[in-house]
Amino acid sequence: SQELEQSPQSLIVQEGKNLTINCTSSKTLYGLYWYKQKYGEGLIFLMMLQKGGEEKSHEKITAKLDEKKQQSSLHITASQPSHAGIYLCGAVFSGGYNKLIFGAGTRLAVHP
Amino acid sequence: DAGVIQSPRHEVTEMGQEVTLRCKPISGHNSLFWYRQTMMRGLELLIYFNNNVPIDDSGMPEDRFSAKMPNASFSTLKIQPSEPRDSAVYFCASYQQVGALGTEAFFGQGTRLTVV
Repeated sequence: SQELEQSPQSLIVQEGKNLTINCTSSKTLYGLYWYKQKYGEGLIFLMMLQKGGEEKSHEKITAKLDEKKQQSSLHITASQPSHAGIYLCGAVFSGGYNKLIFGAGTRLAVHP
Repeated sequence: DAGVIQSPRHEVTEMGQEVTLRCKPISGHNSLFWYRQTMMRGLELLIYFNNNVPIDDSGMPEDRFSAKMPNASFSTLKIQPSEPRDSAVYFCASYQQVGALGTEAFFGQGTRLTVV
C-alpha cells in the first residue's frame, strides 16, 4: 500500500545482532498491527498498537508507535535464525468499518 | 476452532477458465477480508465484508473478480475468466470488530493460484 511505507525492503543480519524495521504512514493511524510471515505460509500476528507512545514486547521483539501515531518501529534484540521471514505492518485508518491494509513488507534473513 | 480455512491450497488452471476460491472464517467473527499477495505488489486488500455485507470492493482489480459472502461461515472469491497475471497467493482473513477497533485479524494459509 502506498499509504504505508516499510523500510528497509530487505535486511540481512548476523545471528545475535539487533535490528529495526520501520513503518511510516501518510495519515494518522487508528491502529497498527505487526505480523510475521514465513515463506509460503500465512501471516502470524505479533502485536497491535493503538495509543501514541505505546510500546509492546513479545519475547525478543519490541514494537512502538510514535506519539503522533504516524510511525511505528519493530526492534529485534539478539536476532536468531528463527526470526527470519517477512515482517508486515498493517494499519487501520478510521474508527468506522475497519479497513485493514498492509505495507509491502520487510524480508529478514538471519545468518548463523 | 480450527482457524480460518481456505480451499483449495493450490490451484493450477488454464487461461480463460473460471476459478473459485473458498474461505471459512472463524465462528463469531463479523468481518472478513480477501487479499492478494505478489512479489511485485505485496499484500493488496481486494474486498472486505462486515456482517456478510461488502463494505469496500475498491481493491478488486477488474470486473472479472467477484466475491460473495452468503452467510457468516462462508465466502467465495471468483475470477472469470482467469488470466496469467492473476497468478498470486490469495489470503482470506477473519476479524472481530469490537467497538472502534477490532482484535487481531486471523489469516488462512492461502490459496496459491497459477494461471497458465
